[in-house]
Amino acid sequence: EIVMTQSPATLSVSPGEGVSLSCRASQSVSTSLAWYQQKPGQAPRLLIYGASTRATGVPARFSASASGTEFTLTISSLQSEDFAVYYCQHYHNWPPSTFGGGTKVEI
Amino acid sequence: QVQLVESGGGLVKSGGSLRLSCAASGFIFSNYYMTWLRQAPGKGLEWVSYISNGGGSSTYYTDSVKGRFTISRDDAKDSLFLQMNSLRAEDTAVYYCARAKGGPFEDWGQGILVTVSS
Repeated sequence: EIVMTQSPATLSVSPGEGVSLSCRASQSVSTSLAWYQQKPGQAPRLLIYGASTRATGVPARFSASASGTEFTLTISSLQSEDFAVYYCQHYHNWPPSTFGGGTKVEI
Repeated sequence: QVQLVESGGGLVKSGGSLRLSCAASGFIFSNYYMTWLRQAPGKGLEWVSYISNGGGSSTYYTDSVKGRFTISRDDAKDSLFLQMNSLRAEDTAVYYCARAKGGPFEDWGQGILVTVSS
């Protein structure tokens, strides 16, 4: 099973700041990597797929990149609505599929 | 717009059964892979099960539910199901149905809580 490891577990930032969230795969997943945002009491929302393609309606302040088995989600200028938990997910040769443990972005 | 609405959750005793349903609308249901995921209280996301499109000839399960859970679909009724038997305390979670855009999960239901009491 491919293990996805996210870091850090929690990020404390201020509105307007930029942040980068990391996700590492235990083996190659090519670009079969997605990022999701989840706010309290809500279902996750797809932000990024194919490692770097924004999903429909996702603001341009969200960007993502890949380098080997390392993946990064960057939020260029945090808005109040961006404070949430972010998960990465691989779907390389899925099923199965696995998620990282999540990164909580808090004020 | 795409809508996925889960139902059938609730409180059940350990060893019991539940059948979750997911009613889909706003898209051609039969064209899409569908999946169930879950999230234990305060925990992260876990993929549970997958069913292929066009009748669902292929199904897959995470190891912890193999032999206990069965995924199915009714394309005529735009519905997805998860039959859960021999439930355990560790199955307690919010269960989500989701539409798969190939691999990533493009749209999610609001989730339904399943609580297994010991």
